[in-house]
Amino acid sequence: ETGVTQSPTHLIKTRGQQVTLRCSSQSGHNTVSWYQQALGQGPQFIFQYYREEENGRGNFPPRFSGLQFPNYSSELNVNALELDDSALYLCASSSVGGGTSYEQYFGPGTRLTVT
Amino acid sequence: TQLLEQSPQFLSIQEGENLTVYCNSSSVFSSLQWYRQEPGEGPVLLVTVVTGGEVKKLKRLTFQFGDARKDSSLHITAAQPGDTGLYLCAGGDSNSGYALNFGKGTSLLVTP
Repeated sequence: ETGVTQSPTHLIKTRGQQVTLRCSSQSGHNTVSWYQQALGQGPQFIFQYYREEENGRGNFPPRFSGLQFPNYSSELNVNALELDDSALYLCASSSVGGGTSYEQYFGPGTRLTVT
Repeated sequence: TQLLEQSPQFLSIQEGENLTVYCNSSSVFSSLQWYRQEPGEGPVLLVTVVTGGEVKKLKRLTFQFGDARKDSSLHITAAQPGDTGLYLCAGGDSNSGYALNFGKGTSLLVTP
């Protein structure tokens, strides 16, 4: 069973630039969620994709957008980067529809630094 | 957003000691998960509790879900240095698909 993978591992961008982060979900999972984790904090929910459509969104501005592909992989795009966007971005996959729909399995994360 | 509060925020103990970490909320959750996260890595799922009053054991770790499904605790017996990490509790938020609301975590350091 292949776990959740994310790329790249680390990324340094300049304020105002745009960034795309990628995630491959665990085999057999149909849902992908993205979280932002600032230093010393718990993960904050950005949004979730199910069947290629956004299935829920946290309190993040529209410059955070995403995609889910037919193979259930996903992208997180952030436009007009701000210094406060520096964080660990986590992707989690899950299988919606069963009794354990809230169980999510996380990738190793992408560390984004905005200078 | 359903808020989860964890306590204590930091805990430093010696190998062999016992400890308990708490996760509290004013909201009812359909399920609650505990994760452990090491620096620079993603959280690893330890357990899911679903039924009020449920107790689950994972080796030296004991997890309990409150009767009203608003709180949970994690008890570690005879802590070892390998238990060091950030312990996060997370509850399902049905208002945002199947999103998880996380607490800020308890940072545990176990020294030999």
